[in-house]
Amino acid sequence: AQSVTQPDIHITVSEGASLELRCNYSYGATPYLFWYVQSPGQGLQLLLKYFSGDTLVQGIKGFEAEFKRSQSSFNLRKPSVHWSDAAEYFCAVGADAGNMLTFGGGTRLMVKP
Amino acid sequence: DTAVSQTPKYLVTQMGNDKSIKCEQNLGHDTMYWYKQDSKKFLKIMFSYNNKELIINETVPNRFSPKSPDKAHLNLHINSLELGDSAVYFCASSHKLAGVGGDIQYFGAGTRLSVL
Repeated sequence: AQSVTQPDIHITVSEGASLELRCNYSYGATPYLFWYVQSPGQGLQLLLKYFSGDTLVQGIKGFEAEFKRSQSSFNLRKPSVHWSDAAEYFCAVGADAGNMLTFGGGTRLMVKP
Repeated sequence: DTAVSQTPKYLVTQMGNDKSIKCEQNLGHDTMYWYKQDSKKFLKIMFSYNNKELIINETVPNRFSPKSPDKAHLNLHINSLELGDSAVYFCASSHKLAGVGGDIQYFGAGTRLSVL
């Protein structure tokens, strides 16, 4: 069975600083990987996805993520964080069987002025 | 127009009651899902429906019963509510191609259920 670990429960960065959110997955085959963002009181919005091909994927709002098979990681990055990026971020892995998504525990991002 | 809409947004009820949460998607997707997000923000899938047929049922108590009158709707009925049912419930939908994973799921805004 697949699993996803987000080692950092909370991260605080200053506005304008760079950001990296960690995600490690466990899956027996080539994974389908996703990052979602959840703003307070809102549903989940897809930031980006990796299915195959180029291991560096670009998403919305200036986010990118890099798939590293050797490290079983799919870390999310942003070069310069904005106050509006404060939210909960979820990494997820998708399986073929039933199109099921398994989520990590989430990382809460706080942005200091 | 909202792609995946859930009602109600908030639901406060007493233990033992029966309640329903409705979900509708206007994306023309074949597959719909219910997820539960607990107080620690863990998201876990409960059900998946593909074109009105149940295709996943994770170990969810049978007090929870999904009902899909058509492929655009997937409602969640909960009988005999318990304190531990308090959570945020998310509906989602995606296109479904048999045997192909990785499809994008679109989520509703969630329903916050509080059982007193």
